[in-house]
Amino acid sequence: GEDVEQSLFLSVREGDSSVINCTYTDSSSTYLYWYKQEPGAGLQLLTYIFSNMDMKQDQRLTVLLNKKDKHLSLRIADTQTGDSAIYFCAESMGNQGGKLIFGQGTELSVKP
Amino acid sequence: NAGVTQTPKFQVLKTGQSMTLQCAQDMNHNSMYWYRQDPGMGLRLIYYSASEGTTDKGEVPNGYNVSRLNKREFSLRLESAAPSQTSVYFCASSEGGTSGVVGELFFGEGSRLTVL
Repeated sequence: GEDVEQSLFLSVREGDSSVINCTYTDSSSTYLYWYKQEPGAGLQLLTYIFSNMDMKQDQRLTVLLNKKDKHLSLRIADTQTGDSAIYFCAESMGNQGGKLIFGQGTELSVKP
Repeated sequence: NAGVTQTPKFQVLKTGQSMTLQCAQDMNHNSMYWYRQDPGMGLRLIYYSASEGTTDKGEVPNGYNVSRLNKREFSLRLESAAPSQTSVYFCASSEGGTSGVVGELFFGEGSRLTVL
């Protein structure tokens, strides 16, 4: 069945770049997503990439997609303490719109 | 705009008790979802409703029932709560179909449930 895997923790210093990695299994997903969860809150869509793209850049965020290896990464440049949160990778269930499969979430800790 | 509103935010139950989690959205979205979040396991889909009048099982539906009361509201019921259902429950909604960013879910703030 479909599965999404992420490492659970990442710690960086303020000003460094953060790279959060994800592997997925369903090659039919049209979109792949990164969601952000701040403490005590629900998830919010951070960015997404269409499956026929290799890279997408949005201000400090860079998403890289390697379809051959089914690997997705999120790079945050100049990481700030306000970026501390849990980041979830997600793919669509068999290309079924809003039905998403989420990874376990990577808790990013940014130290001053 | 309130977005997605869930009630209650916190609840403690004893094993065997029943309860209903309420969810309402004011974005005129077609699709609504219930997920549970457990440490180290991410979010798992319990039930979803692609449109008013339809509901379908997700990955972990056992022990739960849902009702899509109207386009705005989607409730989740635990008929006989078990300790394994201790979790944080999130309701979400989306445009559905091919509108907007397909897969963009809008989440409520969560309901923390403890079953003793």
